Amino acid sequence: DVKVTQSSRYLVKRTGEKVFLECVQDMDHENMFWYRQDPGLGLRLIYFSYDVKMKEKGDIPEGYSVSREKKERFSLILESASTNQTSMYLCASSTSKAPASTQYFGPGTRLLVL
Amino acid sequence: AQKITQTQPGMFVQEKEAVTLDCTYDTSDPSYGLFWYKQPSSGEMIFLIYQGSYDQQNATEGRYSLNFQKARKSANLVISASQLGDSAMYFCAMREGPYNQGGKLIFGQGTELSVKP
Repeated sequence: DVKVTQSSRYLVKRTGEKVFLECVQDMDHENMFWYRQDPGLGLRLIYFSYDVKMKEKGDIPEGYSVSREKKERFSLILESASTNQTSMYLCASSTSKAPASTQYFGPGTRLLVL
Repeated sequence: AQKITQTQPGMFVQEKEAVTLDCTYDTSDPSYGLFWYKQPSSGEMIFLIYQGSYDQQNATEGRYSLNFQKARKSANLVISASQLGDSAMYFCAMREGPYNQGGKLIFGQGTELSVKP
């Protein structure tokens, strides 16, 4: 079974802090994604990566950066956390080897910025 | 412009009845894929069913089926014989372009389904 893990389920940070959210997958997937989920807005893509050291901006990259130094790990960084970044953050991974290849999601991190 | 639209923010269904969750999409790409996910209150996203744009038959997975109407650009999820455990948020998503080019998904806003005993 595919497993995607995220470093924390719940996180409380102060405004201005640097925040790291870690995501690890164990299925050798090429693609990894970071989303944020807010009520009524669905999932919005922040950044994604098709390969090690590659990254591309999603729909809402402002205020975020990412790092992918190893294939299995994709980190989301909030350089200076703000209250409007309070949200649920979901990491996902997928392979591009089959048409029906779905994204597999981690359990999510609920981030509260005070 | 909204590419994936789920017009039902919330729905109720009686246990053991069937329910249809609506999803319409917008794309000019001939190659795309449509996915449905379930998100229980615990937060994890669970993949339910997939339909490719070139698939001739509607996809089915157990109690889930996808009513794919290509000309109308709709991909409704049908859940037969609803169970209490089906109460969750349901998301429709679309992958534009060929599957071997990254697999980025666009999600709808979601429909919250509540199953009544």
